[in-house]
Amino acid sequence: EVQLVQSGAEVKKPGDSLKISCQGSGYSFADFYIGWVRHVPGQGLEWMGIFYPDDSRNRYNPSFQGQVTMSADKSTNTAYLQWSSLKASDTAIYYCGRCIFIYHNGVWSNHWYFDVWGRGTLVTVSS
Amino acid sequence: IVLTQSPATLSLSPGERATLSCRASQTISSNYLAWYQQKPGQAPSLLIHGASTRATGIPDRFSGSGSGTDFTLTITRLEPEDFAVYFCQQYDSPITFGQGTRLEIK
Repeated sequence: EVQLVQSGAEVKKPGDSLKISCQGSGYSFADFYIGWVRHVPGQGLEWMGIFYPDDSRNRYNPSFQGQVTMSADKSTNTAYLQWSSLKASDTAIYYCGRCIFIYHNGVWSNHWYFDVWGRGTLVTVSS
Repeated sequence: IVLTQSPATLSLSPGERATLSCRASQTISSNYLAWYQQKPGQAPSLLIHGASTRATGIPDRFSGSGSGTDFTLTITRLEPEDFAVYFCQQYDSPITFGQGTRLEIK
């Protein structure tokens, strides 16, 4: 069974650093992009970025570029999302998901959806 | 592309039919639209991709339809386990999500 297991809830202060994780199992972890999605309570879901564990290729939503850093460790099948200096506005639930890209006319396209998600990590940033 | 889901909340009884709408602010090419179900405290789960293709293991009471800017998720004969939040996602470019529809027991 394909699973993504995310790290537990975090409570941090503004200015703190943080690294949350997403461990994959049941599939070849390095061969699939992992995406990150933010859900601020009461607001919609926002795509943050995607990361390819095999060669560290990545793509950030411009809204999150420079605000967070994605990474992965192939040896432990784990993807990470990190902040160097948290803000209160980073308070949200963060989901990871396995990306399925569309193969069309013999070429991998730029379109993907998530076929498996983690349960989410609640990050609370408060002084 | 902004996705608007309606209604925000849908109150129905088990056995009834649910019709959930997802409307896009502009045409979604190649029906690049997915539907997900999320229950409290659980990971979202993929129901439909390509607007109408059921994901592996999804019961046939779930069906997706539509094209262009108007998409629908239909659940025939609601089961108790179907009461959850449903959200749509377009993956035309760049990906965006709808705000969700809460399907609650009447």
